[in-house]
Amino acid sequence: AQKVTQAQTEISVVEKEDVTLDCVYETRDTTYYLFWYKQPPSGELVFLIRRNSFDEQNEISGRYSWNFQKSTSSFNFTITASQVVDSAVYFCALSVRNQGGKLIFGQGTELSVKP
Amino acid sequence: KAGVTQTPRYLIKTRGQQVTLSCSPISGHRSVSWYQQTPGQGLQFLFEYFSETQRNKGNFPGRFSGRQFSNSRSEMNVSTLELGDSALYLCASSPYRTGTSGGEQFFGPGTRLTVL
Repeated sequence: AQKVTQAQTEISVVEKEDVTLDCVYETRDTTYYLFWYKQPPSGELVFLIRRNSFDEQNEISGRYSWNFQKSTSSFNFTITASQVVDSAVYFCALSVRNQGGKLIFGQGTELSVKP
Repeated sequence: KAGVTQTPRYLIKTRGQQVTLSCSPISGHRSVSWYQQTPGQGLQFLFEYFSETQRNKGNFPGRFSGRQFSNSRSEMNVSTLELGDSALYLCASSPYRTGTSGGEQFFGPGTRLTVL
């Protein structure tokens, strides 16, 4: 069975601090995909990044960076110099090749960035 | 390009009633998936439709059903509503079957269903 664990339920930081959101996944499939989504108070899930299981390169996009390590089954997300607009719930998700469009989500991490 | 749209945005029903929610995917997208989000259970997969066929189904009772039309628009139906069905129902679209290609899914704003 597949599972995604986001152990941090809530994180509170002050603006301009760096923050890392942890994500640990479980699957026996060799082909799988990992995602991060942001859910602001409006409720809509906003796609941030996708990684496939064969691409362990880390990625940086502006203030966002992602660290994918198959050895530890982790796909962590770092926000550098956080801003108030980063306040949201962040979800890590997993899909495997033989299960169609099913995304398995973690429980989410609520990030609060205070001015 | 317009995003995923869901109607209605808010709905209040009473126990025992049935409800139909609608989802219009991004133009050109053929895959539509539905998710239920509750504070207790989080985000849970309901089903996926691709080319008018249900391709995958989550662990929900038969009261939850859906369909997809030839224009890729999708509806989901919940019959005999229970209090526990109160949730945010999210629809997502993708240009192809996510599981076979790992394509990202783009989500709509959701329908907030309250069952009294």
